[in-house]
Amino acid sequence: GDSVTQMEGPVTLSEEAFLTINCTYTATGYPSLFWYVQYPGEGLQLLLKATKADDKGSNKGFEATYRKETTSFHLEKGSVQVSDSAVYFCALRGSGGSNYKLTFGKGTLLTVNP
Amino acid sequence: NAGVTQTPKFQVLKTGQSMTLQCAQDMNHEYMSWYRQDPGMGLRLIHYSVGAGITDQGEVPNGYNVSRSTTEDFPLRLLSAAPSQTSVYFCASSLTPAGETQYFGPGTRLLVL
Repeated sequence: GDSVTQMEGPVTLSEEAFLTINCTYTATGYPSLFWYVQYPGEGLQLLLKATKADDKGSNKGFEATYRKETTSFHLEKGSVQVSDSAVYFCALRGSGGSNYKLTFGKGTLLTVNP
Repeated sequence: NAGVTQTPKFQVLKTGQSMTLQCAQDMNHEYMSWYRQDPGMGLRLIHYSVGAGITDQGEVPNGYNVSRSTTEDFPLRLLSAAPSQTSVYFCASSLTPAGETQYFGPGTRLLVL
């Protein structure tokens, strides 16, 4: 079945540092890929998405590129802020048929210090 | 729009008690789902619905029931709570079953003693 593996946390960075959170997936066909963010005490929010190979999703300074050859969707940001402290989830939705559900990774806790 | 709302925010139950977690959305979304979030496990799908009157099981359905009598509401029932059901529960919805953006509620934190 479908699965998502993302880098284990926690990740602690200083403000303005470069961020990478790795995400790889296993799925048949051409899944859609997502990054969700969960701020403390809140539900998940969609951060960015990509629906086909080589697509780049971007939002709020975060980027991720759908790499089918390496089955990866790594999240990057050039300069993190304290307000980026949150848990980040990589997720996929399989392609075709009645495959509606999202498969999530286990989440990566990011803490950004001033 | 209020988006996706969940009640209660926090609940403590004793083993064997029953309760219903409420979820509602005002966006006329067809697809609604329930997840549980446990430390180190990410989110796991419990049940989902592709429209009023239609529900199906997800990855971890045992111990939970759902119904979808209206488009807006998708309650999750625990018939006989167990300590293993201690978790944070999230409801989510999307415009269509294949809708790419799922909107999540704020969550219900459940503690079963």
